[in-house]
Amino acid sequence: DTGVSQDPRHKITKRGQNVTFRCDPISEHNRLYWYRQTLGQGPEFLTYFQNEAQLEKSRLLSDRFSAERPKGSFSTLEIQRTEQGDSAMYLCASSLPTGVETQYFGPGTRLLVL
Amino acid sequence: DAKTTQPTSMDCAEGRAANLPCNHSTISGNEYVYWYRQIHSQGPQYIIHGLKNNETNEMASLIITEDRKSSTLILPHATLRDTAVYYCIVRVEFGGSSNTGKLIFGQGTTLQVKP
Repeated sequence: DTGVSQDPRHKITKRGQNVTFRCDPISEHNRLYWYRQTLGQGPEFLTYFQNEAQLEKSRLLSDRFSAERPKGSFSTLEIQRTEQGDSAMYLCASSLPTGVETQYFGPGTRLLVL
Repeated sequence: DAKTTQPTSMDCAEGRAANLPCNHSTISGNEYVYWYRQIHSQGPQYIIHGLKNNETNEMASLIITEDRKSSTLILPHATLRDTAVYYCIVRVEFGGSSNTGKLIFGQGTTLQVKP
């Protein structure tokens, strides 16, 4: 499968713990996006990378959230001091910078904070 | 803030065409309309997109009204595997010459295809 991959697929953690998710985009896709989806809602944009540069951040991305893409390939999303309200599906998407770009999504990481 | 409105749910008989409407009356001139679908517990799957012309691909057709205030996604021969939540989305550009933007999802239409 040459699509976007995410790891882990599921994560259960206790409130106050730190968690880190990984996203591997489609090969040669230099654009990478993170979204968050809570139960019953559509995904919401969190942040955007072009290569290793983080160019856009939503106000949803509080100080406890940090995203990196150190070598312009895979990306990580870390949540510090998790809260129950962080429980959601975290989705990663990638795209090519050609024509009218299409964002291709991965399967997501489902986080449950107890 | 969602820029689209869709019916909450629709039913369609297997083998018939499914027509999913969407209103996007506040869309700006350079904002594209995208359609994705999401099957339970999976990531959204791209279907089709357009600016002002009608579009067709192997999955669906997209009909955009001339004033661009609404569109319809057509699945020509719905199957049981097309049961999913369908999102009509406006892409809001980041600005500059980025040629990309954030997808603004609404709550989508749950399409139930019945035998």
